[in-house]
Amino acid sequence: GAVVSQHPSWVICKSGTSVKIECRSLDFQATTMFWYRQFPKQSLMLMATSNEGSKATYEQGVEKDKFLINHASLTLSTLTVTSAHPEDSSFYICSAREGLAGVLDTQYFGPGTRLTVL
Amino acid sequence: GQSLEQPSEVTAVEGAIVQINCTYQTSGFYGLSWYQQHDGGAPTFLSYNALDGLEETGRFSSFLSRSDSYGYLLLQELQMKDSASYFCAVRDPGFAAGRRALTFGSGTRLQVQP
Repeated sequence: GAVVSQHPSWVICKSGTSVKIECRSLDFQATTMFWYRQFPKQSLMLMATSNEGSKATYEQGVEKDKFLINHASLTLSTLTVTSAHPEDSSFYICSAREGLAGVLDTQYFGPGTRLTVL
Repeated sequence: GQSLEQPSEVTAVEGAIVQINCTYQTSGFYGLSWYQQHDGGAPTFLSYNALDGLEETGRFSSFLSRSDSYGYLLLQELQMKDSASYFCAVRDPGFAAGRRALTFGSGTRLQVQP
């Protein structure tokens, strides 16, 4: 099956610093990638939808200036958490959609990035 | 908007059968999916139902009733490794915007005991 990778798998940073997380589709072209956030013992919540070559669409309540998303190619999307604070500590998961829009398109999830802000 | 409800926890013993229910409310329906997530891991796809009825994949089966806005995941011959969280999910209906994100239920934590 298709593979999506994320880097880094975990990161610890000081409050106020910025952290970049990469999401790559390894063996397919992803026209759309999604970024989710999951707090401990909670569900995955969509943060934003990233379309190659255009601006990301953010969900209500997600600050676009704090969570910068760049989808510069069909295989790479990046999420940068700017001026991170302890409340940003979470599990960040990307997923990539293969192929053209359709009802039965398939999403593949990356392994996630555990961010801890001290 | 979209919302899904699942039980928060289920406990069962090895070898047993367990059913995890999911009820949903959506503005447009494009199928119900099930994902498994072990602690610290990413969700992995288990099954997808677009039409009413039962889909079987090995020890796991999933059922959908669109008229009842209801589905369930059935796990048979439970094994210790099945201890995980299970999420039902529906696709967002945003065709025009190219969106196809998933809205997840709150998750059901399954604990399999010896």
